[in-house]
Amino acid sequence: EIVLTQSPVTLSLSPGERATLSCRASQSVSSYLAWYQQKPGQAPRLLIYDASNRATGIPARFSGSGSGTDFTLAVSSLEPEDFAVYYCQQRSNWPLTFGGGTKVEIK
Amino acid sequence: EVQLLESGGGLVQPGGSLRLSCAASGFTFRNYAMSWVRQAPGKGLQWVSAISGSGGTTHYIDSVKGRFTVSRDNSKNTLYLQMKSLRAEDTALYYCAKDGSTEVGATFFDYWGQGTLVTVSS
Repeated sequence: EIVLTQSPVTLSLSPGERATLSCRASQSVSSYLAWYQQKPGQAPRLLIYDASNRATGIPARFSGSGSGTDFTLAVSSLEPEDFAVYYCQQRSNWPLTFGGGTKVEIK
Repeated sequence: EVQLLESGGGLVQPGGSLRLSCAASGFTFRNYAMSWVRQAPGKGLQWVSAISGSGGTTHYIDSVKGRFTVSRDNSKNTLYLQMKSLRAEDTALYYCAKDGSTEVGATFFDYWGQGTLVTVSS
Protein backbone atom coordinates (compact mmCIF):
# COMPACT_ATOMS: atom_id res chain seq x y z
CA GLU A 1 0.00 0.00 0.00
CA ILE A 2 1.29 3.45 -0.92
CA VAL A 3 1.39 5.77 2.06
CA LEU A 4 0.87 9.48 1.43
CA THR A 5 2.28 11.84 4.04
CA GLN A 6 0.99 15.41 4.03
CA SER A 7 2.76 18.32 5.68
CA PRO A 8 2.29 20.42 7.57
CA VAL A 9 -0.68 19.06 9.48
CA THR A 10 -1.89 22.61 10.11
CA LEU A 11 -1.01 25.78 8.25
CA SER A 12 -1.91 29.11 9.83
CA LEU A 13 -2.03 31.94 7.32
CA SER A 14 -3.81 35.21 6.65
CA PRO A 15 -6.03 36.01 3.67
CA GLY A 16 -3.92 37.16 0.75
CA GLU A 17 -0.93 35.04 1.74
CA ARG A 18 0.46 32.18 -0.32
CA ALA A 19 -0.13 28.62 0.88
CA THR A 20 2.16 25.74 0.02
CA LEU A 21 1.08 22.21 0.93
CA SER A 22 3.19 19.09 0.54
CA CYS A 23 2.32 15.47 -0.18
CA ARG A 24 5.02 12.79 -0.18
CA ALA A 25 4.44 9.23 -1.40
CA SER A 26 6.17 6.16 0.02
CA GLN A 27 6.95 5.05 -3.55
CA SER A 28 6.61 6.61 -6.96
CA VAL A 29 3.07 7.36 -8.13
CA SER A 30 4.25 8.93 -11.39
CA SER A 31 1.88 11.87 -11.93
CA TYR A 32 -1.18 10.05 -10.67
CA LEU A 33 -1.95 12.35 -7.78
CA ALA A 34 -5.05 14.39 -7.05
CA TRP A 35 -5.87 17.10 -4.54
CA TYR A 36 -9.21 17.72 -2.84
CA GLN A 37 -10.60 20.45 -0.64
CA GLN A 38 -13.07 19.70 2.13
CA LYS A 39 -14.99 22.21 4.22
CA PRO A 40 -16.84 21.31 7.42
CA GLY A 41 -20.07 19.44 6.75
CA GLN A 42 -19.37 19.19 3.02
CA ALA A 43 -18.18 16.51 0.66
CA PRO A 44 -14.67 16.80 -0.77
CA ARG A 45 -14.21 18.81 -3.96
CA LEU A 46 -11.70 17.88 -6.64
CA LEU A 47 -9.13 20.63 -7.21
CA ILE A 48 -6.26 19.06 -9.14
CA TYR A 49 -5.85 15.74 -10.92
CA ASP A 50 -2.79 14.05 -12.38
CA ALA A 51 -0.54 16.35 -10.36
CA SER A 52 -1.06 19.59 -12.24
CA ASN A 53 -4.42 19.67 -14.05
CA ARG A 54 -7.04 21.95 -12.55
CA ALA A 55 -10.50 20.45 -12.40
CA THR A 56 -13.43 22.18 -14.05
CA GLY A 57 -14.32 25.46 -12.39
CA ILE A 58 -11.30 25.61 -10.10
CA PRO A 59 -9.78 29.10 -9.86
CA ALA A 60 -6.35 29.71 -11.32
CA ARG A 61 -4.94 30.60 -7.88
CA PHE A 62 -4.79 26.83 -7.22
CA SER A 63 -1.88 25.02 -8.83
CA GLY A 64 -0.31 21.62 -8.47
CA SER A 65 3.17 20.38 -9.26
CA GLY A 66 5.46 17.41 -8.76
CA SER A 67 5.96 13.86 -9.93
CA GLY A 68 7.29 10.62 -8.56
CA THR A 69 7.15 10.93 -4.78
CA ASP A 70 6.99 14.68 -4.05
CA PHE A 71 4.03 16.89 -4.81
CA THR A 72 2.93 20.41 -3.97
CA LEU A 73 -0.39 22.21 -3.94
CA ALA A 74 -0.06 25.98 -3.98
CA VAL A 75 -2.68 28.64 -3.44
CA SER A 76 -1.23 31.90 -4.70
CA SER A 77 -3.33 34.27 -2.61
CA LEU A 78 -5.72 32.86 -0.03
CA GLU A 79 -9.34 33.90 -0.23
CA PRO A 80 -11.62 33.56 2.82
CA GLU A 81 -13.34 30.54 1.24
CA ASP A 82 -10.01 28.68 0.87
CA PHE A 83 -9.66 27.95 4.58
CA ALA A 84 -10.40 24.24 4.71
CA VAL A 85 -8.78 20.81 4.88
CA TYR A 86 -6.87 19.58 1.85
CA TYR A 87 -6.21 15.94 0.95
CA CYS A 88 -4.00 14.32 -1.64
CA GLN A 89 -4.89 10.97 -3.22
CA GLN A 90 -2.95 8.57 -5.44
CA ARG A 91 -4.38 6.43 -8.22
CA SER A 92 -1.16 4.72 -9.24
CA ASN A 93 -1.75 1.47 -7.34
CA TRP A 94 -4.58 -0.36 -5.63
CA PRO A 95 -5.63 0.25 -2.97
CA LEU A 96 -6.23 3.90 -3.64
CA THR A 97 -4.97 5.94 -0.73
CA PHE A 98 -5.39 9.42 0.68
CA GLY A 99 -3.03 11.51 2.72
CA GLY A 100 -3.94 12.46 6.26
CA GLY A 101 -4.84 16.02 5.31
CA THR A 102 -3.56 19.55 5.87
CA LYS A 103 -5.81 22.03 7.61
CA VAL A 104 -5.39 25.60 6.37
CA GLU A 105 -6.64 27.88 9.11
CA ILE A 106 -6.95 31.62 9.52
CA LYS A 107 -4.08 33.13 11.48
CA GLU B 1 -26.11 18.50 -13.47
CA VAL B 2 -24.41 15.50 -11.90
CA GLN B 3 -26.12 14.31 -8.73
CA LEU B 4 -25.22 11.44 -6.42
CA LEU B 5 -27.64 10.62 -3.64
CA GLU B 6 -26.67 8.05 -1.04
CA SER B 7 -29.12 6.25 1.22
CA GLY B 8 -29.34 3.22 3.47
CA GLY B 9 -27.17 4.27 6.37
CA GLY B 10 -28.21 3.88 9.98
CA LEU B 11 -27.46 2.33 13.35
CA VAL B 12 -26.57 -1.36 13.29
CA GLN B 13 -25.20 -3.73 15.91
CA PRO B 14 -21.74 -5.28 15.57
CA GLY B 15 -21.98 -8.29 13.29
CA GLY B 16 -24.99 -6.87 11.50
CA SER B 17 -25.58 -6.01 7.85
CA LEU B 18 -26.55 -2.96 5.86
CA ARG B 19 -26.92 -2.11 2.19
CA LEU B 20 -26.05 1.33 0.95
CA SER B 21 -27.37 2.74 -2.32
CA CYS B 22 -26.25 5.65 -4.46
CA ALA B 23 -28.65 6.98 -7.08
CA ALA B 24 -26.85 8.76 -9.89
CA SER B 25 -28.12 11.25 -12.45
CA GLY B 26 -26.84 13.85 -14.87
CA PHE B 27 -24.28 11.67 -16.66
CA THR B 28 -24.04 8.38 -18.58
CA PHE B 29 -23.69 6.14 -15.55
CA ARG B 30 -22.51 2.99 -17.34
CA ASN B 31 -19.50 4.83 -18.78
CA TYR B 32 -17.89 5.60 -15.44
CA ALA B 33 -16.31 3.60 -12.67
CA MET B 34 -17.65 4.44 -9.24
CA SER B 35 -16.21 4.20 -5.74
CA TRP B 36 -17.20 4.26 -2.11
CA VAL B 37 -15.08 6.42 0.17
CA ARG B 38 -15.63 6.69 3.90
CA GLN B 39 -14.76 9.16 6.61
CA ALA B 40 -14.85 8.23 10.27
CA PRO B 41 -16.04 11.02 12.58
CA GLY B 42 -13.36 13.69 12.81
CA LYS B 43 -10.95 11.70 10.66
CA GLY B 44 -9.62 11.70 7.12
CA LEU B 45 -10.78 10.04 3.92
CA GLN B 46 -10.43 6.33 3.25
CA TRP B 47 -11.21 4.72 -0.08
CA VAL B 48 -13.22 1.51 0.43
CA SER B 49 -14.20 -0.02 -2.89
CA ALA B 50 -14.43 0.62 -6.62
CA ILE B 51 -16.33 -0.93 -9.49
CA SER B 52 -15.82 -0.53 -13.23
CA GLY B 53 -18.48 0.91 -15.49
CA SER B 54 -19.60 -2.51 -16.67
CA GLY B 55 -19.48 -3.93 -13.16
CA GLY B 56 -17.05 -6.63 -14.25
CA THR B 57 -14.10 -5.43 -12.18
CA THR B 58 -14.10 -4.61 -8.48
CA HIS B 59 -11.48 -3.57 -5.94
CA TYR B 60 -11.54 -3.40 -2.15
CA ILE B 61 -9.43 -2.23 0.71
CA ASP B 62 -8.07 -5.22 2.64
CA SER B 63 -10.03 -4.50 5.81
CA VAL B 64 -13.39 -5.01 4.06
CA LYS B 65 -12.55 -7.89 1.72
CA GLY B 66 -14.93 -10.77 2.28
CA ARG B 67 -17.35 -8.57 4.21
CA PHE B 68 -18.35 -5.85 1.72
CA THR B 69 -19.60 -6.31 -1.83
CA VAL B 70 -19.86 -3.49 -4.33
CA SER B 71 -22.27 -3.78 -7.24
CA ARG B 72 -24.19 -1.63 -9.67
CA ASP B 73 -27.37 -1.71 -11.72
CA ASN B 74 -26.75 0.31 -14.85
CA SER B 75 -30.42 0.05 -15.85
CA LYS B 76 -31.30 1.89 -12.64
CA ASN B 77 -28.25 4.18 -12.51
CA THR B 78 -27.59 2.94 -9.00
CA LEU B 79 -24.48 1.90 -7.10
CA TYR B 80 -24.65 -0.40 -4.07
CA LEU B 81 -22.48 -1.44 -1.17
CA GLN B 82 -23.57 -4.55 0.71
CA MET B 83 -21.91 -4.59 4.11
CA LYS B 84 -21.87 -7.67 6.38
CA SER B 85 -20.17 -8.58 9.65
CA LEU B 86 -19.99 -4.91 10.51
CA ARG B 87 -17.49 -3.75 13.10
CA ALA B 88 -17.24 -0.65 15.24
CA GLU B 89 -14.35 0.52 13.07
CA ASP B 90 -16.69 0.62 10.05
CA THR B 91 -18.51 3.56 11.64
CA ALA B 92 -18.22 6.42 9.17
CA LEU B 93 -19.89 8.68 6.69
CA TYR B 94 -19.94 6.75 3.42
CA TYR B 95 -19.65 8.74 0.20
CA CYS B 96 -20.19 7.51 -3.30
CA ALA B 97 -17.89 9.14 -5.80
CA LYS B 98 -17.77 9.27 -9.58
CA ASP B 99 -14.62 8.64 -11.56
CA GLY B 100 -13.25 11.74 -13.21
CA SER B 101 -12.59 10.05 -16.54
CA THR B 102 -13.90 7.29 -18.75
CA GLU B 103 -10.32 6.06 -19.10
CA VAL B 104 -9.98 2.49 -17.85
CA GLY B 105 -8.35 2.45 -14.44
CA ALA B 106 -8.61 6.19 -13.95
CA THR B 107 -9.67 6.75 -10.39
CA PHE B 108 -9.85 10.24 -9.13
CA PHE B 109 -13.19 11.62 -8.14
CA ASP B 110 -14.82 14.62 -9.74
CA TYR B 111 -18.23 14.34 -8.08
CA TRP B 112 -19.21 13.19 -4.62
CA GLY B 113 -22.51 12.62 -2.90
CA GLN B 114 -23.28 14.11 0.49
CA GLY B 115 -22.78 10.81 2.25
CA THR B 116 -24.81 8.42 4.39
CA LEU B 117 -23.85 7.76 7.99
CA VAL B 118 -23.25 4.22 9.19
CA THR B 119 -22.96 3.72 12.94
CA VAL B 120 -21.97 0.31 14.27
CA SER B 121 -22.69 0.11 17.96
CA SER B 122 -24.48 -2.04 20.52
